[in-house]
This record gives sequence, C-alpha cells and structure tokens, in this order.
Amino acid sequence: DAGVTQSPTHLIKTRGQQVTLRCSPISGHKSVSWYQQVLGQGPQFIFQYYEKEERGRGNFPDRFSARQFPNYSSELNVNALLLGDSALYLCASSLAGQNTEAFFGQGTRLTVV
Amino acid sequence: SQQGEEDPQALSIQEGENATMNCSYKTSINNLQWYRQNSGRGLVHLILIRSNEREKHSGRLRVTLDTSKKSSSLLITASRAADTASYFCATRTSGSARQLTFGSGTQLTVLP
Repeated sequence: DAGVTQSPTHLIKTRGQQVTLRCSPISGHKSVSWYQQVLGQGPQFIFQYYEKEERGRGNFPDRFSARQFPNYSSELNVNALLLGDSALYLCASSLAGQNTEAFFGQGTRLTVV
Repeated sequence: SQQGEEDPQALSIQEGENATMNCSYKTSINNLQWYRQNSGRGLVHLILIRSNEREKHSGRLRVTLDTSKKSSSLLITASRAADTASYFCATRTSGSARQLTFGSGTQLTVLP
C-alpha cells in the first residue's frame, strides 16, 4: 500500500513568490493535516481538513491557505513568501476518531532565498 | 507553541544500552504519541498511549504515561545504531480539532 505522498520533495523559491505543496493521503483516510517544521524544532500544526472541510487552523498568518479535494488529496498554498517560511512541510493523514495514529509523508523541503 | 518538552535534548549511548526520553506537557490530553524522525525526513509513528492507560509496550519500546504529572517516558531497550534519530512526543487534546502538538524532540545517538 502506498503511504502518504508529498510533492515536490524539494523546492527553492524567491521572497515574495507563491508556492503550492501537494499531498495524497493513504487510501481510505479522509483526514489530512499540514505541519511546518523549522530546523531544530518540532512540527507546528498549520491546518487540518476532514471530509473537505477545515476542522482546525494553527497560529499561522493568512498567507497560508489550504484545501482538500473530493479524492481527499490536499494542497497547501503559501503566498508572499518570507525567508522565515523556509522549513520542512509535512502532511499527515489519518482515519476518523480521536485515538488513531497519524501517518506522515516524507515532507517538502522549502527554501526561500 | 510547543505543548510538550522532551528531556534530554540530546542523548548519546552505546549500542546495547537502554535509552530513556521524557516528555512533559501542559494541558489535559486525549492521547500521547511518540514519533521518530531520521535526518529531517518524515515522521514515523512509534506508539500511541491513551489518557486512561499507564503503560504500553511495542517490541523494544516501552511508554509510560502519568497524567497527574502530565508526563510520559519512552524507553528503548537494547538500542541499536539504527535507532539513531530524533524522537518527538505529541499530544492530542479532546475536541473537534485533531491536531497533534509536538514537543521539541530528543536527538538520540547510538554509538556502535
């Protein structure tokens, strides 16, 4: 079975540009979450989507947005990139229910120059 | 913001020794999960312990949870060089938002 897949794996962007990151969840998983991990820190929650609806949002500016498609894949968009947006962006999918594990993709390494 | 804090931040041991990592958190939780991350790649789920459980085992892993102290520990027995990685605890609180709140991690190095 395919795990959570993310694309691209690496990305270099210039300040002020916009970026779109993509995530395909494990088949059957309807919940997708996005996390940002800055070097040396733990992941920070950005968004959670379930059944195509936003169910949670972390403390990130409005430059960050996301959506979930009918096939449960998801995109994370970041506008007006700042140097501080450089990070590993992780996508996780899970089944419904509180006590279920989250499966993470390998992440997209975004570098803003 | 970080909910959990791992202790120690870094740990170096010899192969065959046991490694213990601790995690403290601040608010009431539904469950606590431990993850491993190799060299800044994706996170691998290790074990989930519910708030009404006190101890859980999985292979060479043993996790304890003390909700009165808002703390958890991860024990890796008979460590191997392949266990070298960063280990994170993550908490999930009750409610509609199903986010995980991660700690800052423990970097474990197992020397051959």
